[in-house]
Amino acid sequence: AQKITQTQPGMFVQEKEAVTLDCTYDTSDPSYGLFWYKQPSSGEMIFLIYQGSYDQQNATEGRYSLNFQKARKSANLVISASQLGDSAMYFCAMREGSIRNFGNEKLTFGTGTRLTIIP
Amino acid sequence: IAGITQAPTSQILAAGRRMTLRCTQDMRHNAMYWYRQDLGLGLRLIHYSNTAGTTGKGEVPDGYSVSRANTDDFPLTLASAVPSQTSVYFCASSEMFATGELFFGEGSRLTVL
Repeated sequence: AQKITQTQPGMFVQEKEAVTLDCTYDTSDPSYGLFWYKQPSSGEMIFLIYQGSYDQQNATEGRYSLNFQKARKSANLVISASQLGDSAMYFCAMREGSIRNFGNEKLTFGTGTRLTIIP
Repeated sequence: IAGITQAPTSQILAAGRRMTLRCTQDMRHNAMYWYRQDLGLGLRLIHYSNTAGTTGKGEVPDGYSVSRANTDDFPLTLASAVPSQTSVYFCASSEMFATGELFFGEGSRLTVL
């Protein structure tokens, strides 16, 4: 079974609209972390946001928020007021296991969603 | 601030040739990783190292080897390249006992003909 599933290979969104990128995960470990990375056409990987499994509130970073629904095992990225510069590939990733245990820092990535913002 | 430096940035290689992708970090992170990125498959872990002197296999280790002689360097070697190893390779590092956030290099685009 896939540990991280991103079901939207591509999305087109009008500029200034909000966009939700879907991510579901699969783990039996009670301690885990969820990440979103952005990869623009230039190729670099840019960290956007992090959510720990024990965090009570949804993570937010500027225009980015993570809609964490633990029971559904979903960690959707919400981008408010989209901009042309948001056009990129977006990857969801998961760390399994407690950060207190040495060696649990490996991330598993989803296949990504290519987001295109239309002017 | 350099972070993670990868070399070369791009390379075309004949099948059967040996190739080493270099990766150096200046953040003193304990853990380092090599991922490959392929269209439709996302990023897949090849090998990792939790600390200098130790290495481990990831999801797709076959055909690759790594070494970790010191904290800063983590080279990836293709002993005898095959066309299926055509990919973009990313080196990354992370801090011990932190969230697990990966700090990535710029990537190395490798084409095996």
